Amino acid sequence: NAGVTQTPKFRVLKTGQSMTLLCAQDMNHEYMYWYRQDPGMGLRLIHYSVGEGTTAKGEVPDGYNVSRLKKQNFLLGLESAAPSQTSVYFCASSPVSLNQPQHFGDGTRLSIL
Amino acid sequence: RKEVEQDPGPFNVPEGATVAFNCTYSNSASQSFFWYRQDCRKEPKLLMSVYSSGNEDGRFTAQLNRASQYISLLIRDSKLSDSATYLCVVNGLTGGGNKLTFGTGTQLKVEL
Repeated sequence: NAGVTQTPKFRVLKTGQSMTLLCAQDMNHEYMYWYRQDPGMGLRLIHYSVGEGTTAKGEVPDGYNVSRLKKQNFLLGLESAAPSQTSVYFCASSPVSLNQPQHFGDGTRLSIL
Repeated sequence: RKEVEQDPGPFNVPEGATVAFNCTYSNSASQSFFWYRQDCRKEPKLLMSVYSSGNEDGRFTAQLNRASQYISLLIRDSKLSDSATYLCVVNGLTGGGNKLTFGTGTQLKVEL
């Protein structure tokens, strides 16, 4: 029972490089989310999706793009990485109901040099 | 004012102690409330939902006070394994989808 799977687990990038983080869920959840977590800041929502083919901006979307071409996958892209994007990134998913909590992947640790 | 506020701690307690955390939220229209647990360098995991009438799960009790807009978590008979950061999470009605707002967490350290 995989739940939410994130790849890669760790990555080091140079400033200006691009990369894509992949999130996959096998729970048939409609909603998916990307968060970043920084010391003292808590979890902040980057982008989210309420269904296949739809995406929306969260609290801190600048510098990131997302795509949800398949229901089970949610991709987070960094077009031109900056040191300020050094963080731990978490993907999460949830069913449609407001009363259902979100399930998290185990995170991607990203360092931008 | 932050949407969700928590005392960051750390709370250092001896094994067997009872400890309580509070959390306040600003959106009076919030509908769902949760406590998550996060171990160091791990993902947040759901500890328990918080219901209007209060609810208990073993050594853990959660309560909601809508009038004062706060939720609480009580841990009885603390274990070493309870050491973690506890995140207060509020599910609001703002924006589309099932948006959660996370507190920055309260760190608990249970000691021998």
